Amino acid sequence: GQQVMQIPQYQHVQEGEDFTTYCNSSTTLSNIQWYKQRPGGHPVFLIQLVKSGEVKKQKRLTFQFGEAKKNSSLHITATQTTDVGTYFCAGISDYKLSFGAGTTVTVRA
Amino acid sequence: KAGVTQTPRYLIKTRGQQVTLSCSPISGHRSVSWYQQTPGQGLQFLFEYFSETQRNKGNFPGRFSGRQFSNSRSEMNVSTLELGDSALYLCASSPRTSVYNEQFFGPGTRLTVL
Repeated sequence: GQQVMQIPQYQHVQEGEDFTTYCNSSTTLSNIQWYKQRPGGHPVFLIQLVKSGEVKKQKRLTFQFGEAKKNSSLHITATQTTDVGTYFCAGISDYKLSFGAGTTVTVRA
Repeated sequence: KAGVTQTPRYLIKTRGQQVTLSCSPISGHRSVSWYQQTPGQGLQFLFEYFSETQRNKGNFPGRFSGRQFSNSRSEMNVSTLELGDSALYLCASSPRTSVYNEQFFGPGTRLTVL
């Protein structure tokens, strides 16, 4: 079955620095979604990528979908304390989301 | 629109008992999916209901079951609870008009099995 791997599992970032989390699928994805879960909260939808090579930006967040539609990345610039949380990618197959393990981000002020 | 609601928010049970969790989706959403979240296994898909029919099922034992009512509200049941069932159970709703629909998650039910 479809498996979505996400690295790194943990990311400790100095405030103001950039970081990237990567998502890789064992199969070609029709689309990929990214969610953010704050500590003690629930996953909240961030964005969806559909097209091969697609790049989308949300303020300091840049999302990319690989040309082969088997990998994706989330890059955050100038990290702020509000970026704390766990970022999940999720591959879509037959209306079913397969989540990566998530990257948990902590920020040093 | 009101968001996805789940009840109860917290639950403590003992091994061998059964539990029923409830989820009310966003108005107009006909799809409800359930996920189990644990520190060790992450977010794992349990099942999805659409128009009162189970459309997808994850790799969980038969002790985990669910149903959906005509008003789209959904319940999931876990029988013969085990310690390993302690987790955050998340419900998510979607209009399911397209495979590209985002999912809206509820706050979850934190189940502790003693």
